[in-house]
Order: sequence, then C-alpha cells, then structure tokens
Amino acid sequence: AQRVTQPEKLLSVFKGAPVELKCNYSYSGSPELFWYVQYSRQRLQLLLRHISRESIKGFTADLNKGETSFHLKKPFAQEEDSAMYYCALSTSGANSKLTFGKGITLSVRP
Amino acid sequence: DTGVSQNPRHKITKRGQNVTFRCDPISEHNRLYWYRQTLGQGPEFLTYFQNEAQLEKSRLLSDRFSAERPKGSFSTLEIQRTEQGDSAMYLCASSPDFETQYFGPGTRLTVL
Repeated sequence: AQRVTQPEKLLSVFKGAPVELKCNYSYSGSPELFWYVQYSRQRLQLLLRHISRESIKGFTADLNKGETSFHLKKPFAQEEDSAMYYCALSTSGANSKLTFGKGITLSVRP
Repeated sequence: DTGVSQNPRHKITKRGQNVTFRCDPISEHNRLYWYRQTLGQGPEFLTYFQNEAQLEKSRLLSDRFSAERPKGSFSTLEIQRTEQGDSAMYLCASSPDFETQYFGPGTRLTVL
C-alpha cells in the first residue's frame, strides 16, 4: 500500500527566509505527486503537481525517485504563505484517489 | 460560487442517530470523491464515483456508511447509528476526467 510521510508538523520562518517542506512517499510503482494548500478558513486547493513542473506562487517541487521524495521549496517566504500544506500521492493519475500526508503548518513571521 | 458545495457545513448529533450529508460537485465533473479528515491528520479516502457508479470504497467505509450519486450529479453520504469515532470533517471533491480534484469546504460532524 502507498504511504506519504511528512516528518514535521510545524515550520516557522521569518519573512524572506528559504522554505523547504519535506515529503517522502512509499509506492512500488510510478506515482503522481501533489502539494495541496489550505489557507486559514479556506478550502483545500491544489498548489502544484509534479508532472506539470510549474512554479506556483514561487514554490517548486522536484520528484526524486531515488530518494522517494517530493520536497516543496521556496527561496523567499512571504507572510501570505502561512498555511497548512499537504503532500499527496495518486497511483493512477490526478483523478484517482489521493493518499495524503498528515500535513505541515507553515508560519511566516514578519 | 461555482465551486464544490457541501451541506450542512456543521452537524451536531447524538450517538446512535443517523446523519446525511450532501455534496454538489462542479457542473459536468463526472468524478466525485468523499474523504474524511480527523484532527491532526490529512484527508483519508472513503469512496468515489464515476458518474452514478461507485467505483471504489475504502476499508474505512464500514457497513454503517453508505454513499450514493443517483443521477450522476449530487451525492449523499449517510452514516447510520453514529459513534463518537465518526466525529470528523467530511470532504467532498470533484474532477473532470484526467484532471485534478477540487475540494468543497467540508461538513464538520460532531457526535456527542
């Protein structure tokens, strides 16, 4: 069975500092990886997916199959990045069931 | 708002009662998903529909849970004989084919 691990519950940084939110997965096949974000009092929304290789709101994530990781990075954090971030995995493309990690709270201080 | 909608947003019930939640997906999204999220956890998959067909159910979905999508549009999730362990946020999501999932605001269930 597949699993997603987010080893940290909270990351607190100052504005302008680099951010790295860690995500590791276990799955024997070729998964599709996602990062979802939930801002305060808003619904869960897609931030980015690995196959699109886009940079969204300055965030990037690279799938490392050797290390089975999909860490989310941003070089300069902004206060509006404060939110809950979830890493998720799909075994059959974007519209099949998602397996989520437990999430990490990112707090960006002024 | 043309996003996924869920009703009610909050439900408080007594143990042993039945509850039903409704999800209205984005128009023309043929896939609809239900997830459950408890405190400190990420969402956990419960079940999903392709149009009106229920294609997969998680082992989390005990016999007390039933979901329907009778006309391939809205969906209902019913929990019979609720238990305190059923207290959670119930999330619905929808997607068109081969695209990402869009989530609703959730229904928060509290079982007393």
